[in-house]
Amino acid sequence: EAGVAQSPRYKIIEKRQSVAFWCNPISGHATLYWYQQILGQGPKLLIQFQNNGVVDDSQLPKDRFSAERLKGVDSTLKIQPAKLEDSAVYLCASSFPFNTGELFFGEGSRLTVL
Amino acid sequence: AQKITQTQPGMFVQEKEAVTLDCTYDTSDPSYGLFWYKQPSSGEMIFLIYQGSYDQQNATEGRYSLNFQKARKSANLVISASQLGDSAMYFCAMRYNTGGFKTIFGAGTRLFVKA
Repeated sequence: EAGVAQSPRYKIIEKRQSVAFWCNPISGHATLYWYQQILGQGPKLLIQFQNNGVVDDSQLPKDRFSAERLKGVDSTLKIQPAKLEDSAVYLCASSFPFNTGELFFGEGSRLTVL
Repeated sequence: AQKITQTQPGMFVQEKEAVTLDCTYDTSDPSYGLFWYKQPSSGEMIFLIYQGSYDQQNATEGRYSLNFQKARKSANLVISASQLGDSAMYFCAMRYNTGGFKTIFGAGTRLFVKA
């Protein structure tokens, strides 16, 4: 079974530029999550999708971050314009909603904003 | 408010000894799940163990066990017979349901296993 796929693995940009991250969850997993993990901290939920609907985006900085999951499968997280404090690893995870809810994570996308 | 607290930023353990990583939680949801994940230096998050709030027995998975004390709202991870490969960040997480299932994480504990 293929795992959660994320790209790119690494991205370096200047502040005020834009960046997009892509995630393809495990087949059949209806729930998809984007977490932000700043160095030395635990993951913070940015947005959660159930199929193509948003369950929770209360911690998403909507003035600069956006995310979509148009067909209920893969998802894109965009940051525009980026700030220095956006430097972090962006983790995508998916889960099958009716079991324990164990999250399956991708390898993450590490963003450095200069 | 839902919250996960890990108060140990770093822990040291001698190889082959047991170690306990602390986790306390707060939730008003009567049905919830507690998880532990391991994050090695390579960055991937690896699921270790799960405990449901209604489970009567403590969960075990190989060398990992979860010491679940519901009244104290604690869910400590016990790693027996530590190995050098256990050196990593460990995160406690809680899944709860308020208008949809959500999972939040603690700040993590970095475990160092000494040879």
